[in-house]
Amino acid sequence: NAGVTQTPKFRILKIGQSMTLQCTQDMNHNYMYWYRQDPGMGLKLIYYSVGAGITDKGEVPNGYNVSRSTTEDFPLRLELAAPSQTSVYFCASSYEDVGLYTFGSGTRLTVV
Amino acid sequence: AQSVSQHNHHVILSEAASLELGCNYSYGGTVNLFWYVQYPGQHLQLLLKYFSGDPLVKGIKGFEAEFIKSKFSFNLRKPSVQWSDTAEYFCAVRGDKIIFGKGTRLHILP
Repeated sequence: NAGVTQTPKFRILKIGQSMTLQCTQDMNHNYMYWYRQDPGMGLKLIYYSVGAGITDKGEVPNGYNVSRSTTEDFPLRLELAAPSQTSVYFCASSYEDVGLYTFGSGTRLTVV
Repeated sequence: AQSVSQHNHHVILSEAASLELGCNYSYGGTVNLFWYVQYPGQHLQLLLKYFSGDPLVKGIKGFEAEFIKSKFSFNLRKPSVQWSDTAEYFCAVRGDKIIFGKGTRLHILP
């Protein structure tokens, strides 16, 4: 049972480049989330999804996009990378929206 | 507005010392409460949770937390810490949405 799998683990982007952070879960969870973690700031919700085909903005959605075509996959897209998007990104999933999350191992992104 | 506050940003203890990390929240309704832990280089994992019932909850690795409703608090405790407890600890509160605290970095000296 793999849980939540994120790829890549590390990435360096140049300003203006785009990339997709991949997230896959094999627990048949309806709820999936993308968070960013900045030092001393805790976790901020970027986007979330309550099921395939349904997504919604979180606290800090600007500069990001998501899609949820299947229950398993919830990719996060950065279209025009900016230095402010340098962060560690965590994907999480849950069976219900009660706060019981399974987190992925994270993607450390640096934009230079 | 819903909020959560962790009082200690960085805590340094010696092995065998007792630990208490503070967490307070503001929300007018029923809450679910969590402590998550992030060991160095790893992802967040659940340490313990409170949904209802006994306000003293026990988690993994000897941790416990007490929900004091009148104080809007959910402090994390461990009677005797180990070097392997070095990690960052996040309190989280689920009211109408889930909010994470800013985290407390715990460093245990061997």
